[in-house]
Amino acid sequence: KAGVTQTPRYLIKTRGQQVTLSCSPISGHRSVSWYQQTPGQGLQFLFEYFSETQRNKGNFPGRFSGRQFSNSRSEMNVSTLELGDSALYLCASSPGWGINQPQHFGDGTRLSIL
Amino acid sequence: AQSVTQLDSQVPVFEEAPVELRCNYSSSVSVYLFWYVQYPNQGLQLLLKYLSGSTLVKGINGFEAEFNKSQTSFHLRKPSVHISDTAEYFCAVRTFNQAGTALIFGKGTTLSVSS
Repeated sequence: KAGVTQTPRYLIKTRGQQVTLSCSPISGHRSVSWYQQTPGQGLQFLFEYFSETQRNKGNFPGRFSGRQFSNSRSEMNVSTLELGDSALYLCASSPGWGINQPQHFGDGTRLSIL
Repeated sequence: AQSVTQLDSQVPVFEEAPVELRCNYSSSVSVYLFWYVQYPNQGLQLLLKYLSGSTLVKGINGFEAEFNKSQTSFHLRKPSVHISDTAEYFCAVRTFNQAGTALIFGKGTTLSVSS
């Protein structure tokens, strides 16, 4: 069974640009969550989608947005990029939406802002 | 608000020695607890989880953890480590009163195993 697939693996952008990251969950998984990982702040929850609806959102500015498609694939978008957005962005999928569901992570997209 | 504290940012240890990575959580309600491992340039891999039942939880790669409700701890242990266990380890919590699957992570512990 294929794992969580994130594309691209690496991305370099400049300040002010926007970026879209993609996540394909494990087949059959319907919940997708996104996390930002930085050396200073560690792993922080961005948002979570289930059945194409955002169910939960972390404490990030509105420049960070996402969506989920009918096939459960998800994208996250960051507009007006800032230097501080440089991070590893991790996507995780779960079979359903419930607090006892374990999350399975992809290898992440490393975003560097110049 | 709930939080997770990993008491050691770095743990150096020799191969075949035992190791304990400490994790404490803060929550006024019941929790689910997880340990994840992250190897360089990779995502997080679930080592083990505590949802309910026995407080001693066995995971992959010979790791185990014990849930201690009175001390609000969930320490990770391995009786004999290998060089290949060198990685970063994250403790995470999810509370019963939250919606969804979002995890709150500790800052991580870097385990360095040398020969």
